[in-house]
Amino acid sequence: DAGVTQSPTHLIKTRGQQVTLRCSPKSGHDTVSWYQQALGQGPQFIFQYYEEEERQRGNFPDRFSGHQFPNYSSELNVNALLLGDSALYLCASSGTSGGTNEQFFGPGTRLTVL
Amino acid sequence: DQQVKQNSPSLSVQEGRISILNCDYTNSMFDYFLWYKKYPAEGPTFLISISSIKDKNEDGRFTVFLNKSAKHLSLHIVPSQPGDSAVYFCAASAPDSWGKLQFGAGTQVVVTP
Repeated sequence: DAGVTQSPTHLIKTRGQQVTLRCSPKSGHDTVSWYQQALGQGPQFIFQYYEEEERQRGNFPDRFSGHQFPNYSSELNVNALLLGDSALYLCASSGTSGGTNEQFFGPGTRLTVL
Repeated sequence: DQQVKQNSPSLSVQEGRISILNCDYTNSMFDYFLWYKKYPAEGPTFLISISSIKDKNEDGRFTVFLNKSAKHLSLHIVPSQPGDSAVYFCAASAPDSWGKLQFGAGTQVVVTP
């Protein structure tokens, strides 16, 4: 049973560019959440997708957008990259059944903005 | 606004002894709390959780205690093992924000032989 997968593993971009990160949820999960983890900090919630719609959003600017596909996979897009966007981007998946908030995380994509 | 705080950035403990990790929160609406463990180059792994209707939850070597009046929870690991060396994150969620986990900054645990 494959867990949460993310691609790419590492990415280097320059300021002003745009980036797309991808995530496939754990089998049987239909909800995908994205987090940004800066160095030395805990993950910060960006947004959550369920039924192909953004259901929850954290305190991130509109430069951060996402999408969920019918197969529940998801993309995170960041436009007009800033140096401060350098971080580990984590994708987490969960199921609507079970009634818990337990989320399963992928290994993350390390984004470096130069 | 950091609503979940882990004030100890690091903890060193001898193998076989108890590790106690602490977490404080400010949002009284939080009703579900989780602990995650993270190794380098891996995503966080779920360890244990507790609902606000309980004050203790135990799973093997891991026990989480919740003190709602103090807005404080702790994770006890007994006995500590070398494989427990990792960063531990406390996280919380509120009923009106299902799935939005708010994390503390983490505590680096090092278990020494």
